[in-house]
Amino acid sequence: NAGVTQTPKFRILKIGQSMTLQCTQDMNHNYMYWYRQDPGMGLKLIYYSVGAGITDKGEVPNGYNVSRSTTEDFPLRLELAAPSQTSVYFCASRYYGQSTGELFFGEGSRLTVL
Amino acid sequence: QKEVEQDPGPLSVPEGAIVSLNCTYSNSAFQYFMWYRQYSRKGPELLMYTYSSGNKEDGRFTAQVDKSSKYISLFIRDSQPSDSATYLCAMSVNTGGFKTIFGAGTRLFVKA
Repeated sequence: NAGVTQTPKFRILKIGQSMTLQCTQDMNHNYMYWYRQDPGMGLKLIYYSVGAGITDKGEVPNGYNVSRSTTEDFPLRLELAAPSQTSVYFCASRYYGQSTGELFFGEGSRLTVL
Repeated sequence: QKEVEQDPGPLSVPEGAIVSLNCTYSNSAFQYFMWYRQYSRKGPELLMYTYSSGNKEDGRFTAQVDKSSKYISLFIRDSQPSDSATYLCAMSVNTGGFKTIFGAGTRLFVKA
């Protein structure tokens, strides 16, 4: 049981390039989330999904896209990368019936846009 | 006004001290109140969880929720160098995808 796995762990992009951050979970969780974390700013929700085929915007969705074709995978797409997207990105998941509301996080993907 | 306010610190204390971490919030709909601990270059992990107002204790950790004041706290007794981490308060409602809103996180350093 690997939990939530994110790839890549580190990436440097040039302005205007595009890339996909991969996230997969093996806990059969319905809900999945993408957050970004900037220094002193906590975690900001980018997009979330309540199940395969269903996605919705969070607090800071501009410049990103997501898809959810399977329960396990929730990739985050960055189009036309900008320096403002330099951040640490965390994927998280939770089970619908979980009473604690606990989120299970991946180890993060550090992205630098130059 | 931010939905969740948390002083980012840093907070530096000597080993054995009692640590108090706090958050305020503005959305009265929040139902679930959590504290996550995040070590450097790692993902956050759930430390404490409460559903209603009152206290909850787990070993050296106590979480308090005061819904009337929209104020939550985390107390760490007999703090240890291994407690050095960033502590994030988090809150959510059981609707709309169970979105969780996080505070800025407080960096804590416990000196041996």
